[in-house]
Amino acid sequence: GENVEQHPSTLSVQEGDSAVIKCTYSDSASNYFPWYKQELGKRPQLIIDIRSNVGEKKDQRIAVTLNKTAKHFSLHITETQPEDSAVYFCAASRNTGNQFYFGTGTSLTVIP
Amino acid sequence: DTEVTQTPKHLVMGMTNKKSLKCEQHMGHRAMYWYKQKAKKPPELMFVYSYEKLSINESVPSRFSPECPNSSLLNLHLHALQPEDSALYLCASSQLTSYNEQFFGPGTRLTVL
Repeated sequence: GENVEQHPSTLSVQEGDSAVIKCTYSDSASNYFPWYKQELGKRPQLIIDIRSNVGEKKDQRIAVTLNKTAKHFSLHITETQPEDSAVYFCAASRNTGNQFYFGTGTSLTVIP
Repeated sequence: DTEVTQTPKHLVMGMTNKKSLKCEQHMGHRAMYWYKQKAKKPPELMFVYSYEKLSINESVPSRFSPECPNSSLLNLHLHALQPEDSALYLCASSQLTSYNEQFFGPGTRLTVL
């Protein structure tokens, strides 16, 4: 089965700085990689995703990069704001199945 | 309607009680999921329904019993739970086509006394 590792487990940055969270996966058949943000007491919400036929995707201050050869993908948040503080989960799945494999999560704190 | 709804928001039950969690979506999704989530941990998959049929059971104890009455509804029946079952129970739904984003409900915060 798939194994998704996520680092770091906690991350503190000053407001305005960038934050990078990295994930690796083991199953070369995985081809869909979403990132979820979960605020305290709230549901996980999709913030960005990437398919295996794309190397990079950007949405305003958020970007995701994918290296299929190395089997890793990363979330980049620029110009961080206090409201970016949350737990972030990466995940991997195959398009032929409907099972998500989640990373262990990164607790991001943006210090004003 | 682009939301997954869950009821109740909070549930406190004793170990001898029987209760049910409910989940509903009207996005036409044909896959629905139950997850269990402990604090600051990732969602842990319990069950997957595809076209209203149970397709994945992640070796969940029988005190948890899922039910999918129709394509919009998903229930989780609870009986004889243990205190360690206290967690946030999340429902999700998705399409069954490629690259399926999962939409999560707000969850039910369950406390077992």
